[in-house]
Amino acid sequence: EDQVTQSPEALRLQEGESSSLNCSYTVSGLRGLFWYRQDPGKGPEFLFTLYSAGEEKEKERLKATLTKKESFLHITAPKPEDSATYLCAVHSNTGNQFYFGTGTSLTVIP
Amino acid sequence: DTEVTQTPKHLVMGMTNKKSLKCEQHMGHRAMYWYKQKAKKPPELMFVYSYEKLSINESVPSRFSPECPNSSLLNLHLHALQPEDSALYLCASSQGEKLFFGSGTQLSVL
Repeated sequence: EDQVTQSPEALRLQEGESSSLNCSYTVSGLRGLFWYRQDPGKGPEFLFTLYSAGEEKEKERLKATLTKKESFLHITAPKPEDSATYLCAVHSNTGNQFYFGTGTSLTVIP
Repeated sequence: DTEVTQTPKHLVMGMTNKKSLKCEQHMGHRAMYWYKQKAKKPPELMFVYSYEKLSINESVPSRFSPECPNSSLLNLHLHALQPEDSALYLCASSQGEKLFFGSGTQLSVL
């Protein structure tokens, strides 16, 4: 069964304190792994798509990496405006479905 | 243009009301989705339309009725909802491996 697990559930960082969020997945065939940022009461905002193990993508203070079993979202020197929930999702070969993890709620303290 | 537009942004309805949520995209995407999201939970898939035909219905109660009038529009008709149906309703569209979300409709059922 396709499954996505994110950890930690919640993370509090001091401004400038780098860290990583984890997304572990089990899918029958990976078409793509996605990272989204979601602010309260808003729709998820697309950040990255990763397609194959070893792939990396960067955007400002965020860097996403992918292995055969998990993905990491690295946050370098975070700022308070990076506070949000970060969602991971996988698109599998079985049908047109995207499976979401439960998210990591990130709070960056000034 | 990577925009998915949802209206209304907020909706309050009684349990006997009939209302509709609307979603529009002009990216030429042929798959469109409805998700339901409760606070601090990931989006839950409700329906998938592929080439304007309903391809996935995740055992959603019949008080939710989707409609896809054309390739750019997706509606969700609501009737006789329950207070536990209060949530953020998200529309999304995809072409290939990218899934784009609207900003959602925050629904409150009284």
